[in-house]
Amino acid sequence: NAGVMQNPRHLVRRRGQEARLRCSPMKGHSHVYWYRQLPEEGLKFMVYLQKENIIDESGMPKERFSAEFPKEGPSILRIQQVVRGDSAAYFCASSQDRDMNTEAFFGQGTRLTVV
Amino acid sequence: DQQVKQNSPSLSVQEGRISILNCDYTNSMFDYFLWYKKYPAEGPTFLISISSIKDKNEDGRFTVFLNKSAKHLSLHIVPSQPGDSAVYFCAASARSYKYIFGTGTRLKVLA
Repeated sequence: NAGVMQNPRHLVRRRGQEARLRCSPMKGHSHVYWYRQLPEEGLKFMVYLQKENIIDESGMPKERFSAEFPKEGPSILRIQQVVRGDSAAYFCASSQDRDMNTEAFFGQGTRLTVV
Repeated sequence: DQQVKQNSPSLSVQEGRISILNCDYTNSMFDYFLWYKKYPAEGPTFLISISSIKDKNEDGRFTVFLNKSAKHLSLHIVPSQPGDSAVYFCAASARSYKYIFGTGTRLKVLA
């Protein structure tokens, strides 16, 4: 049973380009969460999705960031017109249900570097 | 607004001794707490959790203690092993899927 798979592991983009980060949840998991870790900080919640639905995007920056979790395929976190401040590690997590007291399993992350 | 605080950015412990990692929180609505361990260039790995109805949870060498009145939790690792060297994050949630993470404590276990 493969864990949460994220790709690419490392992504370098020039300022103004678009970044697409992919996340395939664990088998049997239908809930996906994206977190961002800036240098020297903890992980910060960005968005929570179920298949074809955004449930909570309260942690997403208002502009340039979007997320989706289509019926088929991985969840995508999309960052348009990237800036240097977007450089961070982006982690995806998944859980089997949204039972409040259940742990989420994290992927290995995508390290985005904006040059 | 740092609702979950890990005030010690780093900790060094001799192999075989006890490691104690601390975490404080401010939101009294938090009812579920977790510890994650993270190695460089990897994602966080779930370690142990505790519900607010308990004050202790033990799993092998790892024990988490919760003091609700002090809004404090701690992770005890005994005996500490070199392979435990990593960054440890505590996280909390308030009847929610949304975890609030601390900034982490880097544990170094010296052989």
